[in-house]
Amino acid sequence: SQKIEQNSEALNIQEGKTATLTCNYTNYSPAYLQWYRQDPGRGPVFLLLIRENEKEKRKERLKVTFDTTLKQSLFHITASQPADSATYLCALEVDSGYALNFGKGTSLLVTP
Amino acid sequence: DAGVIQSPRHEVTEMGQEVTLRCKPISGHNSLFWYRQTMMRGLELLIYFNNNVPIDDSGMPEDRFSAKMPNASFSTLKIQPSEPRDSAVYFCASSLVQINTGELFFGEGSRLTVL
Repeated sequence: SQKIEQNSEALNIQEGKTATLTCNYTNYSPAYLQWYRQDPGRGPVFLLLIRENEKEKRKERLKVTFDTTLKQSLFHITASQPADSATYLCALEVDSGYALNFGKGTSLLVTP
Repeated sequence: DAGVIQSPRHEVTEMGQEVTLRCKPISGHNSLFWYRQTMMRGLELLIYFNNNVPIDDSGMPEDRFSAKMPNASFSTLKIQPSEPRDSAVYFCASSLVQINTGELFFGEGSRLTVL
């Protein structure tokens, strides 16, 4: 069955550093992958979508890579700020399309 | 646009009671999704609709769960009878699905506690 793995351990980094989060998947051949941010008590919010034919995508301080051979996506936040502290979820479309399965997310804490 | 609207935001009920969660998707979106989130299992897809038609309900845990979408602007998720293990945050999301699933827009969730 499809499986999405994100590091369950929280990532603690210092303000100004680059945060790198990992999303690995198995039994998938997704056409694209999405990343979401979730703050406590709130619903997930879409950040970025990367397609299988795109190796890298950028949006302001965010960068996502997608390696379909390794079955892995990396999510980078450069020049991190305390306001970036949140849980970050990766998501892949289900086999039947039209919906997304989510990883459990990685909690990021950026300290001043 | 007001975004996806869910109600109630919080629900506390006793085991055996019926629970109805409501969702109003973003106008113009053609797909609606119900997810459940717990610490142990993360965000789980329960059911999704495309053009008001249920496409896949394989994520619905038991027959105690049912979902309807009578029109493009309203959906309900019902649990009858409720059990303590149903305690979770239930999210509704909507999207404009064309060739592939696009960006999902989530509501703020309904936190359910079953005593």
